[in-house]
Amino acid sequence: IHLTQSPSFLSASVGDRVTITCRASQYITSNLAWYQQKPGKAPQLLIYAASTLQSGVPSRFSGSGSGTEFTLTISSLQPEDLATYYCQQLNTYPNTFGQGTSLEIK
Amino acid sequence: EVQLVQSGAEMKKPGESLKISCKGSGYTFSSHWIGWVRQMPGKGLEWMGIIYPEDSDARYSPSFQGQVTMSVDKSLSTAYLQWSSLRASDTARYYCARYRESHSLYESSGYVSDPFAFWGQGTMVTVSS
Repeated sequence: IHLTQSPSFLSASVGDRVTITCRASQYITSNLAWYQQKPGKAPQLLIYAASTLQSGVPSRFSGSGSGTEFTLTISSLQPEDLATYYCQQLNTYPNTFGQGTSLEIK
Repeated sequence: EVQLVQSGAEMKKPGESLKISCKGSGYTFSSHWIGWVRQMPGKGLEWMGIIYPEDSDARYSPSFQGQVTMSVDKSLSTAYLQWSSLRASDTARYYCARYRESHSLYESSGYVSDPFAFWGQGTMVTVSS
């Protein structure tokens, strides 16, 4: 299953609402996770089952969607959100990742 | 506290063998699937495969099948990723990561998947002549 994220690069200001889209090449119900990878660090799980917030993740992050189209939303961008964001499908092996969305803070 | 601690950076020559490790602590090692993820320099994440420590059931991505071998030593709570003959194209950072939830041996006999909720710090492998 191929995942396509859009946009690949995003520049936004502190306080902005940011949305990243992930499209799957096949139907995957809600079997999708989102990760954040800050520069030089290991990825961290943000969202699983398309919309369930992982424990400890700030509530400004949310996920939605099912089937083939999913979104990750940051309701009010913070400086510490500078990172690359990846979606991952958990429907079939291999559990592929999207190509990533690099988020820059203006 | 759940921790995954990986072995240190490696510099190898093409054709050499290598085994890197990932030691788990703070949880029941045998009942949580562990996966390996490759990140080539400046690139995205690639799912390599997963292994279930209880019975060493390993499932590989077709892209990595035959190129690497995953294994575990339950007595040491440690997972391993090894190469028999490295290539320059294996230069990357390799992460181990643990499934969010535990799975029983019965559950793990079929398709099982879960997000990676805990990650190691990564091991940088550089292959150059």
